[in-house]
Amino acid sequence: GAGVSQSPSNKVTEKGKDVELRCDPISGHTALYWYRQSLGQGLEFLIYFQGNSAPDKSGLPSDRFSAERTGGSVSTLTIQRTQQEDSAVYLCASSTPTGDQPQHFGDGTRLSIL
Amino acid sequence: KQEVTQIPAALSVPEGENLVLNCSFTDSAIYNLQWFRQDPGKGLTSLLLIQSSQREQTSGRLNASLDKSSGRSTLYIAASQPGDSATYLCAVSGNTGKLIFGQGTTLQVKP
Repeated sequence: GAGVSQSPSNKVTEKGKDVELRCDPISGHTALYWYRQSLGQGLEFLIYFQGNSAPDKSGLPSDRFSAERTGGSVSTLTIQRTQQEDSAVYLCASSTPTGDQPQHFGDGTRLSIL
Repeated sequence: KQEVTQIPAALSVPEGENLVLNCSFTDSAIYNLQWFRQDPGKGLTSLLLIQSSQREQTSGRLNASLDKSSGRSTLYIAASQPGDSATYLCAVSGNTGKLIFGQGTTLQVKP
């Protein structure tokens, strides 16, 4: 079946611009996670959605970062006024709500800020 | 604050060798531990998931063990092959499923 789909696969933009990254989870997966992978920091948790519950935003690095999940499915991560330190690979994962199943990851969006 | 450490950072072995990758975590109050594989330019592929109540999981040539009380896990790869070359990541989670990752071990298996 279809896996987690992320778009775009690559994004190059100028410093100060806003960007939107999209994640389409596996059908039926109610849990959705965003992570960031950068050379200096490794893989870091950003935000977590579970069903209709309030999202866990504890990993968002600044108020320039926000995320939405519409209809319990597709999620969009938005970065406003991008900075060079935002350059990284942004990974999305989804899973069933129980903790006994692994998370399934997309291939990520490679974001480069010029 | 939970911290995950993986040793070694990089490993190069000849084909056919058995090898062990190590992972340690500072807070034993975990819900589960997962091992992932990452190929260059790709996302993560789940290899094995061990619940906190379990001691080990096996899949093919892979065996992962968990000693929760000492904060350690190992990933054993038997009869390594060049196709096993990748970065291996260990991650622990609490009951929300939020993963905290180690820095990974980059494995190269030479033909």
